[in-house]
Amino acid sequence: EAAVTQSPRNKVAVTGGKVTLSCNQTNNHNNMYWYRQDTGHGLRLIHYSYGAGSTEKGDIPDGYKASRPSQENFSLILELATPSQTSVYFCASGGNSGNTLYFGEGSRLIVV
Amino acid sequence: QQKVQQSPESLIVPEGGMASLNCTFSDRNSQYFWWYRQHSGEGPKALMSIFSNGDKKEGRFTAHLNKASLHVSLHIKDSQPSDSALYFCAGGGSALGRLHFGAGTQLIVIP
Repeated sequence: EAAVTQSPRNKVAVTGGKVTLSCNQTNNHNNMYWYRQDTGHGLRLIHYSYGAGSTEKGDIPDGYKASRPSQENFSLILELATPSQTSVYFCASGGNSGNTLYFGEGSRLIVV
Repeated sequence: QQKVQQSPESLIVPEGGMASLNCTFSDRNSQYFWWYRQHSGEGPKALMSIFSNGDKKEGRFTAHLNKASLHVSLHIKDSQPSDSALYFCAGGGSALGRLHFGAGTQLIVIP
């Protein structure tokens, strides 16, 4: 089965600090996504990528940057973390429209 | 921006009962619809897709799509305690696989 691995799985950060969430996929999928999950909001798209070197803004990109240095890796960067960014973050990979998204196990971030 | 209305927020059914979940999408460009399931502590996993009007049955699970009203539903027959999970509907158009998710339905199946 397709594999998406996230790290770290748990992170506590201080307000104003920098946080990097990493994602690796072994599916050779072109597209990768970062979502955050909050109760009552479901999964909301932060950034996505069509391939190495590309990043696109999703529906809630403010306060986040993304980096896709290779086909396999996609990072989410919080330059100045805020308590409102406390959430569970999911990375996913997939093909084009109509294809399944494969999610990682999630990264739980707490900003204090 | 796509808006997805998912209902109910939570649902409790007895073992062996029927569970029905519903979603309505706002974007008329939506063509591809999915149901994802998430067990506690795990990432969401695709349960089933539906792209054409009508019903699609996979075992105990039946999805229904009405493209005219952009309404999708999921019906789980003979519900089992292992079906207890958070269920998301999702839809997308031609934007290279982007999916918009509903807020989720927490299903609890009581033995």
